[in-house]
Amino acid sequence: DSGVTQTPKHLITATGQRVTLRCSPRSGDLSVYWYQQSLDQGLQFLIQYYNGEERAKGNILERFSAQQFPDLHSELNLSSLELGDSALYFCASSVGIGGNEQFFGPGTRLTVL
Amino acid sequence: KNEVEQSPQNLTAQEGEFITINCSYSVGISALHWLQQHPGGGIVSLFMLSSGKKKHGRLIATINIQEKHSSLHITASHPRDSAVYICAAAMYSGGGADGLTFGKGTHLIIQP
Repeated sequence: DSGVTQTPKHLITATGQRVTLRCSPRSGDLSVYWYQQSLDQGLQFLIQYYNGEERAKGNILERFSAQQFPDLHSELNLSSLELGDSALYFCASSVGIGGNEQFFGPGTRLTVL
Repeated sequence: KNEVEQSPQNLTAQEGEFITINCSYSVGISALHWLQQHPGGGIVSLFMLSSGKKKHGRLIATINIQEKHSSLHITASHPRDSAVYICAAAMYSGGGADGLTFGKGTHLIIQP
């Protein structure tokens, strides 16, 4: 158990819908990263937050957004969902802004029908 | 843009064999991560290294910064080591933040 929690574990929804994925980092960790793992693209970095502020952006679509709240939990919002958004979404946390080991949550499996 | 290449893509070995998985990357990095992903999907961090060598139990990770290459070794392999092993490069962007760039993974099967 990494200490990082993610909810929900599974999510099934329809095209065009909007969903919110939630992540709680390990106690004491200030950075949260979001990653997407799909069969065709593999693992991709989406976005990083550190202590409430966005610090790095990867291959995140404009339909996706994220935020980190004062209690350090983070949410990833996915809107206008398409079939290709079906994937495993992981969050990871680390203690600092960079150069630290990252601890991964169990993931949320999103299926868009 | 950093490219991360892993080899082999698939590896089947007998229990007890010495295993080596290789990873190369194209540009300078701040650190190299080795991750393990089991069939259930969960990802476990094995190592993070920026120079030299690290050892944890039967696992050893090395990195050569000049050659932009890292290896993960498993000694006395066991069927429970069967998993996907992923290397990932961390590059600092503005303000010290570092999202990871991932290799495609090595699917390892250890047969009893």
